Amino acid sequence: GAVVSQHPSWVICKSGTSVKIECRSLDFQATTMFWYRQFPKQSLMLMATSNEGSKATYEQGVEKDKFLINHASLTLSTLTVTSAHPEDSSFYICSARDAGGVYGYTFGSGTRLTVV
Amino acid sequence: AQSVTQLGSHVSVSEGALVLLRCNYSSSVPPYLFWYVQYPNQGLQLLLKYTTGATLVKGINGFEAEFKKSETSFHLTKPSAHMSDAAEYFCAVSGPGTYKYIFGTGTRLKVLA
Repeated sequence: GAVVSQHPSWVICKSGTSVKIECRSLDFQATTMFWYRQFPKQSLMLMATSNEGSKATYEQGVEKDKFLINHASLTLSTLTVTSAHPEDSSFYICSARDAGGVYGYTFGSGTRLTVV
Repeated sequence: AQSVTQLGSHVSVSEGALVLLRCNYSSSVPPYLFWYVQYPNQGLQLLLKYTTGATLVKGINGFEAEFKKSETSFHLTKPSAHMSDAAEYFCAVSGPGTYKYIFGTGTRLKVLA
């Protein structure tokens, strides 16, 4: 089956620093990866869609300069939260779609970010 | 445009009782419908999905859901709840030609001993 590995699973950082979250498809090539944000006891909100080798497409209201997304290869996408602030504290989840469409969408295990 | 409504943010059932989690959708195109389960501090695991074909869909862990176009519903059921079913459940809608999922607000299932 398809597996998406997301690291780190949790991270604490100081306000003003940047944090990078990695999302890897382990046994398939992911042409498209998605980044979601989940606030406590709420649903998932799509932040952006990244396609390998091209710029990410951000949803309305998401600051692209704050949430940098890079999809440099068919197996890796990264989300960098720049100049993090406490309000950026959240649960971030990635999802990947395989190139052939066989596995559909597979979610990573999420990253709990706490900015202090 | 697509949207999903999950009725009941919290549902409690006794162990061994029927589980029914409600999901209604709105879609201007034939919908693809999904149920996901999320355990604390974890990602989402696909329970089942409907794209085309048979309207009664069976998933993992004994769950099933029925697509009812006339009612625009895709309710999730399980005949007998187990303690391990306690989790957050999300209904999602997508559609042909679109890669975006629209998630419902989630239903937290509590199973009572």
